[in-house]
Amino acid sequence: GENVEQHPSTLSVQEGDSAVIKCTYSDSASNYFPWYKQELGKRPQLIIDIRSNVGEKKDQRIAVTLNKTAKHFSLHITETQPEDSAVYFCAASKAGFKTIFGAGTRLFVKA
Amino acid sequence: GAGVSQSPRYKVAKRGQDVALRCDPISGHVSLFWYQQALGQGPEFLTYFQNEAQLDKSGLPSDRFFAERPEGSVSTLKIQRTQQEDSAVYLCASSYKDRSYTEAFFGQGTRLTVV
Repeated sequence: GENVEQHPSTLSVQEGDSAVIKCTYSDSASNYFPWYKQELGKRPQLIIDIRSNVGEKKDQRIAVTLNKTAKHFSLHITETQPEDSAVYFCAASKAGFKTIFGAGTRLFVKA
Repeated sequence: GAGVSQSPRYKVAKRGQDVALRCDPISGHVSLFWYQQALGQGPEFLTYFQNEAQLDKSGLPSDRFFAERPEGSVSTLKIQRTQQEDSAVYLCASSYKDRSYTEAFFGQGTRLTVV
């Protein structure tokens, strides 16, 4: 069945360093890949997304890359700040239907 | 409203009790999704509505789970004869368009604890 694997499950970085989270998906028909940030006790919030016709997208300190051949996509956060500490979820869907989420990465940014 | 609203925020149910969880999506949003999020896990898809039509219910874990959206706006997720494994946060999300790449906005969730 459809599956999204996410690594690592926990990531600890020093403030100012970069953080990279990687995901792979199984359904080759997936064409929309959002990333969500969830702070403790709060709702998931979209931070960036990418469509299958694009290989890379950047928004300030956040960038996402997509390799459709390998069914692999990654989130890159540069110049990390303590407020970036949260759980990050990757997801894959077909035109927004039935979004399948990864298990999440708990990011700790140490000041 | 300003965002997706879910009620109640917290629900404690005795095993075997029926529960109903409510979701008020953002006004005008066509698509509505329900997810189940266990502690320390990612949201797992339960079901999807486009207006009042339930187009995908493949994620509902058993026939004890039932969802409806009769007027294409508010949705209710009902769980009959609750079991301890039903304990989780139930998240609702809505998005403006169907069949396109648009952001899904999540509600705060309902934390269900079955004792």
